Amino acid sequence: LAKTTQPISMDSYEGQEVNITCSHNNIATNDYITWYQQFPSQGPRFIIQGYKTKVTNEVASLFIPADRKSSTLSLPRVSLSDTAVYYCLVGFHGSSNTGKLIFGQGTTLQVKP
Amino acid sequence: DVKVTQSSRYLVKRTGEKVFLECVQDMDHENMFWYRQDPGLGLRLIYFSYDVKMKEKGDIPEGYSVSREKKERFSLILESASTNQTSMYLCASSSSGSRTDTQYFGPGTRLTVL
Repeated sequence: LAKTTQPISMDSYEGQEVNITCSHNNIATNDYITWYQQFPSQGPRFIIQGYKTKVTNEVASLFIPADRKSSTLSLPRVSLSDTAVYYCLVGFHGSSNTGKLIFGQGTTLQVKP
Repeated sequence: DVKVTQSSRYLVKRTGEKVFLECVQDMDHENMFWYRQDPGLGLRLIYFSYDVKMKEKGDIPEGYSVSREKKERFSLILESASTNQTSMYLCASSSSGSRTDTQYFGPGTRLTVL
């Protein structure tokens, strides 16, 4: 069963690049890595997902080394509105299979002016 | 846009009461989930449903049951609420696939059991 570990909190300043790492030593072959962002009083929302190497979209990049035992969410040039909790999710699910959907404890990112 | 709605944002119940939390999604998703969220523990999966009337236990199903009579609706039931079930409850849905598909979350229900 994959267990994920993330830093509890991080501070940054506007305009900086922020990297949040998630450790998942027991990741299984079928597991994907997904990151979610959560603002206060809202449910989490999808940011990015990957299986290996690097994935980039309009808001973030996800770096996954060859051994897949960790992953790093990279947020370029953060702004105050990026202040949120970021969750790493490792798992797999399909029909009749909960898979092993393991969320990390979440990293609270505080962006300062 | 996918919309997942939850019946209440805030709920206060007494110990021993039967509690129903309702979740509705409007995107014809096959999969629906119930999580609870507690400080320092992140999100923990309570139950998962991959089709109408089908359900599977997640990591912490004790003290909970679920019902999925229609595809768009997934209910979480606390048969006899206890104070340790005070928490934020989040519902999510996703389409079927062979990998971890994007989950769409509702706004959450903050339940307090007195």
